[in-house]
Amino acid sequence: DIQMTQSPSSVSASVGDRVTITCRASQGISSWLAWYQQKPGKAPKLLIYAASSLQSGVPSRFSGSGSGTDFTLTISSLQPEDFATYYCQQANSFPRLTFGGGTKVEIK
Amino acid sequence: QVQLVQSGAEVKKPGASVKVSCKASGYTFTSYYMHWVRQAPGQGLEWMGIINPSGGSTSYAQKFQGRVTMTRDTSTSTVYMELSSLRSEDTAVYYCACRAMNIQKYYYYGMDVWGQGTTVTVSS
Repeated sequence: DIQMTQSPSSVSASVGDRVTITCRASQGISSWLAWYQQKPGKAPKLLIYAASSLQSGVPSRFSGSGSGTDFTLTISSLQPEDFATYYCQQANSFPRLTFGGGTKVEIK
Repeated sequence: QVQLVQSGAEVKKPGASVKVSCKASGYTFTSYYMHWVRQAPGQGLEWMGIINPSGGSTSYAQKFQGRVTMTRDTSTSTVYMELSSLRSEDTAVYYCACRAMNIQKYYYYGMDVWGQGTTVTVSS
């Protein structure tokens, strides 16, 4: 199975900061990577698909990049509503998918 | 709009089985694969498996092979996830999710529609 490793596991940041989260795959996954945001008690929300495509309705301060094994989610200017946990998920091995372990973005 | 509505919370004893339902609406039920994902308290997301509502074929994560069964009922646009031989570690919120996107290879593009989640508690 393809393993997905996210780093850091948590990050403290302030409103207006630029935040970058990385996700590394144990083998190449082309661009078949998605990013999700999850708030406590809620279902995950799709932010980015195909590594860099912004899901409809998601603010443009979110962006994704990368291909192969290394990927990045960037929040260009952190807003109060962005404090949440973020997950990457690979689909290269469809139908079998895997998620990363998550990165919690906390208020500094 | 595309919507997934799951069944209510369950409390089960160790060794028992649980069957969670997920009723789809707002689209042609057989159009999109359906995933099941779970989240233990304070833990991350864990992909459990997938079902093709069109033909009923399934694929499960190795961890759940032999314990999980995913089925569908096309007459009611409902998918089911049954987990057997429950243990305390199966206490979690269980989600169904799909990608409602009318393009080829839509299933590579993440999951944009999620059920509200079903809490399963395993306790003696």
